Amino acid sequence: GENVEQHPSTLSVQEGDSAVIKCTYSDSASNYFPWYKQELGKRPQLIIDIRSNVGEKKDQRIAVTLNKTAKHFSLHITETQPEDSAVYFCAADAGGTSYGKLTFGQGTILTVHP
Amino acid sequence: GAGVSQTPSNKVTEKGKYVELRCDPISGHTALYWYRQSLGQGPEFLIYFQGTGAADDSGLPNDRFFAVRPEGSVSTLKIQRTERGDSAVYLCASSPRGGLSNQETQYFGPGTRLLVL
Repeated sequence: GENVEQHPSTLSVQEGDSAVIKCTYSDSASNYFPWYKQELGKRPQLIIDIRSNVGEKKDQRIAVTLNKTAKHFSLHITETQPEDSAVYFCAADAGGTSYGKLTFGQGTILTVHP
Repeated sequence: GAGVSQTPSNKVTEKGKYVELRCDPISGHTALYWYRQSLGQGPEFLIYFQGTGAADDSGLPNDRFFAVRPEGSVSTLKIQRTERGDSAVYLCASSPRGGLSNQETQYFGPGTRLLVL
């Protein structure tokens, strides 16, 4: 089955700096790679996703890049703000006969210091 | 519109007891997923429903876990003879249709925090 590795496990940045979180996956058939933000005690919220037919996607301060050959994808947050502090999870779908089953990374605790 | 809802928000039970966790997906969503999230970990897939049928239950850890979705909307996750290791947040998610061609966004509920004493 799919295996998703996420790094780093914790990330601390100053407000205004950029933050980068990286994930690798094992199943070359995976086609869909969402990123979720989870605040303490809250539900995971989708912040951006990318599909295998594109290499990069951007939404304001957030961007995701995908390298299918190397089987890794990354989340980039620019001009970080204290409200960006949360746990971020990457995920990959099952690929092949996928119906949306997601395998998640272990999470990255992002802390943005004012 | 209303998002995915789950009840109860918290459940405390004793080892060996039976519990039911409920999920109300977004209206009209045919695909429904259950995940389990242990402290400090990402969600782990348990089971997927397409309509009323369980299309994939490969993530259920053992036969103490069972889920139903009799009318294709609300789903109930049932855990028999609970163990302390079952303590976790149980998350439900739904998407409009599921399926390879769509790779749709999954919308998560707030979860049920289960504590087995």
